[in-house]
Amino acid sequence: GNSVTQMEGPVTLSEEAFLTINCTYTATGYPSLFWYVQYPGEGLQLLLKATKADDKGSNKGFEATYRKETTSFHLEKGSVQVSDSAVYFCALIKSGGSYIPTFGRGTSLIVHP
Amino acid sequence: NAGVTQTPKFQVLKTGQSMTLQCAQDMNHNSMYWYRQDPGMGLRLIYYSASEGTTDKGEVPNGYNVSRLNKREFSLRLESAAPSQTSVYFCASSEAPWARVMNTEAFFGQGTRLTVV
Repeated sequence: GNSVTQMEGPVTLSEEAFLTINCTYTATGYPSLFWYVQYPGEGLQLLLKATKADDKGSNKGFEATYRKETTSFHLEKGSVQVSDSAVYFCALIKSGGSYIPTFGRGTSLIVHP
Repeated sequence: NAGVTQTPKFQVLKTGQSMTLQCAQDMNHNSMYWYRQDPGMGLRLIYYSASEGTTDKGEVPNGYNVSRLNKREFSLRLESAAPSQTSVYFCASSEAPWARVMNTEAFFGQGTRLTVV
């Protein structure tokens, strides 16, 4: 079946540090890939997405590239801020068979001033 | 716009009690979903409704029932609450079923934190 694996957290960084949160997936065919962000006490919000291989999703300084050869969609940001502290979820949606969106377990990011 | 509104935000139940979690969206979306979020488990789909009048089981439906009351509202009912149902519950909606529009973004409510003692 489909699955999404994210690196375990929490990830703790100082402000202005470089961020990478790893995400790999297992799915046949060509799923669409997403990153969602959950700020404390809130629901999930779509951060960025990519629908085909080599696509790069970007938003608010975050980027992720759909790498089919490595089945990965790693989230990166060049300079994190305290306000980026949140839980980040990688997700996939695949057409054909089960259409239920699959989420990773989430990675908590803590940014210190 | 209110987006997706869930009520209540917090609830404590005793084992065996019943309750209904309410969800309403004002975006005229076709599809609605109920997820539960547990530490280390991510989000797991309980039930979904691809369109008004239809409901389907997700990954973890046992112990729950749902009703798609109309296009706006999708409720989740716990008939006999158990401590294993202690969780944070999220309702979400999207314009079209995931399968048909791969780019569709889902909008989430703020969650209901449920504790069963």
